Amino acid sequence: ETGVTQTPRHLVMGMTNKKSLKCEQHLGHNAMYWYKQSAKKPLELMFVYNFKEQTENNSVPSRFSPECPNSSHLFLHLHTLQPEDSALYLCASSQDSMGRHGELFFGEGSRLTVL
Amino acid sequence: KNEVEQSPQNLTAQEGEFITINCSYSVGISALHWLQQHPGGGIVSLFMLSSGKKKHGRLIATINIQEKHSSLHITASHPRDSAVYICAVAGNQFYFGTGTSLTVIP
Repeated sequence: ETGVTQTPRHLVMGMTNKKSLKCEQHLGHNAMYWYKQSAKKPLELMFVYNFKEQTENNSVPSRFSPECPNSSHLFLHLHTLQPEDSALYLCASSQDSMGRHGELFFGEGSRLTVL
Repeated sequence: KNEVEQSPQNLTAQEGEFITINCSYSVGISALHWLQQHPGGGIVSLFMLSSGKKKHGRLIATINIQEKHSSLHITASHPRDSAVYICAVAGNQFYFGTGTSLTVIP
C-alpha cells in the first residue's frame, strides 16, 4: 500500500470513447502529478497540480483533460484518443511540487490500450 | 539528450552477486531519488538523497554532487530484487532516467 490509489488498473477503449482515470492519495500531500510511461522511454510528465492549481501542462494534447477537485483527488479525462496514446499512466504525489521536501509516491498505474 | 542517464540499461546477475547501477545527470538538483518498478507497473521510492550515502537493508545509495553522479548498490542480490530501477532528479522539475532492468537468476 503506497498511499496512492489509481483506478482502473487496466482500461481498453476505442478511439471514440470517453473514459476517466482516477487517482487518490491519503498522504496529506500538496502536489499531484500525471505521468505517461511508454516502453523504453523515461517517464514523461503530463500535468502537475500544487494546492489544487495546475502549475504545469507539458504540452499535452487536449484529448487529455486533467481535473483536480481537491488536494487528495486527481482525474485524467480521456476523449478521442489515438492508438499511440496506449501506455501506462502513473499518478504520483509529493509534499510539494519541487520534490525538495519529500519523496515521490506513485500509484500502481493504469494500463491504457486504445484500439 | 536526456537530462538523466543510467547505465547499464539491462543487467543480469547470479543470486548473491554485488550489483551496481549508475546514474549521471546534467542539471542542478536539490535531491536525487532512486525508484524501483516491478512488473505490473507500481513504482516504489527506495531513496531520496542530496549528499553522501544512505543504506537500507541490502541497498546502498551514494551521490557525488560535484561529479553529478549517483550509484545504487545491491549486496547479496536475490531474485526478488528483479525489477526496473529508475534514477530521478529534482531540479526545476523531476527528470527521470530510462531505467535499468535487473534480472537476478537463482
